[in-house]
Amino acid sequence: DVKVTQSSRYLVKRTGEKVFLECVQDMDHENMFWYRQDPGLGLRLIYFSYDVKMKEKGDIPEGYSVSREKKERFSLILESASTNQTSMYLCASSPLTGSQHFGDGTRLSIL
Amino acid sequence: LAKTTQPISMDSYEGQEVNITCSHNNIATNDYITWYQQFPSQGPRFIIQGYKTKVTNEVASLFIPADRKSSTLSLPRVSLSDTAVYYCLVGDPWTNAGKSTFGDGTTLTVKP
Repeated sequence: DVKVTQSSRYLVKRTGEKVFLECVQDMDHENMFWYRQDPGLGLRLIYFSYDVKMKEKGDIPEGYSVSREKKERFSLILESASTNQTSMYLCASSPLTGSQHFGDGTRLSIL
Repeated sequence: LAKTTQPISMDSYEGQEVNITCSHNNIATNDYITWYQQFPSQGPRFIIQGYKTKVTNEVASLFIPADRKSSTLSLPRVSLSDTAVYYCLVGDPWTNAGKSTFGDGTTLTVKP
């Protein structure tokens, strides 16, 4: 069974901190995704990656960056955390043309 | 990317069949339709995917009319555990790394 593991279920950080959210998948999937989910706004795509070192912006990339140095790992970076980045963050992976498999999310609070 | 429109919420009772319709008027020729289910505090989970006509698996059926401008997810004989948010996605799995836009989803509440 596909497993997508996000490093933390809950995380509390302070405004201005650099924050790293890590995601690892164990199925050798080519594609990986980062979403944020907010009440009333559904899931919004931040970035996705279709190969190692390759990335493309999603719908809301501002304030975020990503890193994919290895195929199984996709990191989301908040360069300077702000309170409006308090949210649920979801990572997903998929094979080239298959459906997405999601982790259980990281609930991030920025104080 | 095709935009999707779903009802915000639906109520049903245990044992009933539930049909959730999704509109996607600007669906492209190569786009597939995919449905996901999400429980609280979990990531979405794939339910079913289709291109045209009807697709059925062990948990749901997906009906897609000839013009493909809408689709209907059908859940037979729902139970309390089917209470969840259901998302309809439209996208081309062969390009854009399968990038699709999640809409706001439909919150299904199943009552005893």
